[in-house]
Amino acid sequence: QKEVEQNSGPLSVPEGAIASLNCTYSDRGSQSFFWYRQYSGKSPELIMSIYSNGDKEDGRFTAQLNKASQYVSLLIRDSQPSDSATYLCAVSVMDSSYKLIFGSGTRLLVRP
Amino acid sequence: DVKVTQSSRYLVKRTGEKVFLECVQDMDHENMFWYRQDPGLGLRLIYFSYDVKMKEKGDIPEGYSVSREKKERFSLILESASTNQTSMYLCASTPMGGTSNQPQHFGDGTRLSIL
Repeated sequence: QKEVEQNSGPLSVPEGAIASLNCTYSDRGSQSFFWYRQYSGKSPELIMSIYSNGDKEDGRFTAQLNKASQYVSLLIRDSQPSDSATYLCAVSVMDSSYKLIFGSGTRLLVRP
Repeated sequence: DVKVTQSSRYLVKRTGEKVFLECVQDMDHENMFWYRQDPGLGLRLIYFSYDVKMKEKGDIPEGYSVSREKKERFSLILESASTNQTSMYLCASTPMGGTSNQPQHFGDGTRLSIL
C-alpha cells in the first residue's frame, strides 16, 4: 500500500515567521511531487510542483525534495494570516502515469 | 487558466436514490478524476478516465460508477446512495502525459449529504 504521511497539525506560527511543512512517502519510484493549499470548504489549489532533488523557490514558497530519504517539504517565508489553510502533499505513483497519492494534510495557523 | 466546473456546490439526497455528479473541463484534457475527501482520510481516488469511454477503478470504486461520453465531461454516479457516501466530492483533470509532468487541477467540489 503506497502511502504519503503528513503531520496533521495544527502547526501554529507567528506572523512573519517561517513555516515548515513536511511529507514522507513510501513509493521509491515516485517522480513528481506537488503541494496544494486548501482553505476550509474550498478545493485544493496547486502552489508548488517539484520533480528533481534539491530546492525550488517561487516567491515566499520553497519546495525541497530528497528522493534518497523519501521526503518533500514546503517552506513558507514571512508567513501571513492568509496562509492559514491545510496543505496537502501529493506524490505520483511509479506504476501509473495518472495517479496521485495524497497525504491527509497539515493544518497551518498563522497568528497575527 | 484551467477551468474545472462541478455542477453543484451542495447537494442533499435520500438513501437509495440514484445520484449524478457532473464535471466539465474546458482545457481539452485527456485525463479526468473523481475523488472523495473525508476528515482525516485525505483525498481518495474513486475512478479516473484517460479518454472518452475509457475508465479505470481507483482505490474506492464500490458503490460508484462513471460515464465519459464526451472528452470535456466526466460524470460520477451513485447507483443507490447510502449515508456512508456523505462526503466532499472533487473532480480533477490533467492533460495527456498525466501526473508525470503535470499537476491535477481541481473543481470547486460538491458537498453531498445523504439522509
